[in-house]
Amino acid sequence: KNQVEQSPQSLIILEGKNCTLQCNYTVSPFSNLRWYKQDTGRGPVSLTIMTFSENTKSNGRYTATLDADTKQSSLHITASQLSDSASYICVVSLYNNNDMRFGAGTRLTVKP
Amino acid sequence: NAGVTQTPKFRILKIGQSMTLQCTQDMNHNYMYWYRQDPGMGLKLIYYSVGAGITDKGEVPNGYNVSRSTTEDFPLRLELAAPSQTSVYFCASSDSSSSYEQYFGPGTRLTVT
Repeated sequence: KNQVEQSPQSLIILEGKNCTLQCNYTVSPFSNLRWYKQDTGRGPVSLTIMTFSENTKSNGRYTATLDADTKQSSLHITASQLSDSASYICVVSLYNNNDMRFGAGTRLTVKP
Repeated sequence: NAGVTQTPKFRILKIGQSMTLQCTQDMNHNYMYWYRQDPGMGLKLIYYSVGAGITDKGEVPNGYNVSRSTTEDFPLRLELAAPSQTSVYFCASSDSSSSYEQYFGPGTRLTVT
């Protein structure tokens, strides 16, 4: 079954600290993997998109990694800010790109 | 550009009522999507469209209908609303010529009682 599992479910960190969010997937055949940020009450906003041939992709303080062999991805956030408080969603696309499987997200809270 | 807009923002329906969720995009995107997001769950695809006049079922289409008469609009119709359709609904669009990045609307929170 094509699934996307994220961990942890929730995370609390202090402002300025780094953190890493995990995503494991069983989706096949795989086309690309995306990380989205979703603020409370808003729609998801894209952070990174990686194809199976890419190992890492950065967007400012956000760095995503992908290991297509082990079907694992991570999102690393550096020097966290209060505005990073949000849900982070891992999304894996099947080969046709119109069939996307969403993880349940990791709820990140950054405290001052 | 306004991007993807959705109306209404909130709605309460009684069981058995029907309604249409509106979605409009001004980016001239070919692809449009409807998702639902239940608490603690990942978004699930309801329907999608690859262009005007073409629609396809997603993962959870039962109880919904869509149409795509123009490139800009992709309304979602709920017939005979049921409590199981209580959810937050997101519309999204993407440009088939890009890396398929999807742009999401702000969502519609629907409660069926």
